[in-house]
Amino acid sequence: QSALTQPASVSGSPGQSITISCTGTSSDVGTSDYVSWYQQHPGKGPKVLIHEVNNRPSGVSNRFSGSKSGNTASLTISGLQAEDEADYYCSSYASTTSGVVFGGGTKLTVL
Amino acid sequence: EVQLVESGGGLVQSGGSLRLSCAASGFTFVNYWMHWVRQVPGKGLVWVSRVNGDGTSTTYADSVKGRFTISRDNAKNTLYLQMRSLRAEDTAVYYCAKSLKSLYDFSPWGQGTVVTVSS
Repeated sequence: QSALTQPASVSGSPGQSITISCTGTSSDVGTSDYVSWYQQHPGKGPKVLIHEVNNRPSGVSNRFSGSKSGNTASLTISGLQAEDEADYYCSSYASTTSGVVFGGGTKLTVL
Repeated sequence: EVQLVESGGGLVQSGGSLRLSCAASGFTFVNYWMHWVRQVPGKGLVWVSRVNGDGTSTTYADSVKGRFTISRDNAKNTLYLQMRSLRAEDTAVYYCAKSLKSLYDFSPWGQGTVVTVSS
């Protein structure tokens, strides 16, 4: 069982927006400025989309945005495209271990 | 271009040892914390360990503490993970990753190396 809770799957049609949630506790997401989101295509290593809750690295599309409220972080993808179909993982600094905890992953299907 | 290439994975019996390597290029290796993260096929990601730039500070997940050792050779731009007393539950794809900005975000990641522990 993963430390952070994500929905197993979400879906949307091209052009639509979707949001993936990531729920933790006051020991991680709730008190951490270090929440990240990663995209992983089959057979590939993950790619960072968002770091420090809502910061987008250079080269990442502005269709991806992050936010946080309480113990729940969210990733929003706007203007869905076929190439967005992938697995998405959230992560957070965990104060109890000084390590990083991940969510179980969410499979995004573009209909 | 920043590149990370893992190697050293393979099939090992329970109780055995294996050393993974991660060759880094395209950035000043000594300036960055480096990490190992693993993924059971079809499952989620699990952070394993991190090491600071000069190799003097390390942190481990509880599940590998006392069995795994992370290290680096900055002259060779290479990160290592020495794995001992391997268990079936250590079977996974092992990724190395560079710290992006903080100790807690990772970019980029390598392509991974597969470790299979047979019981």
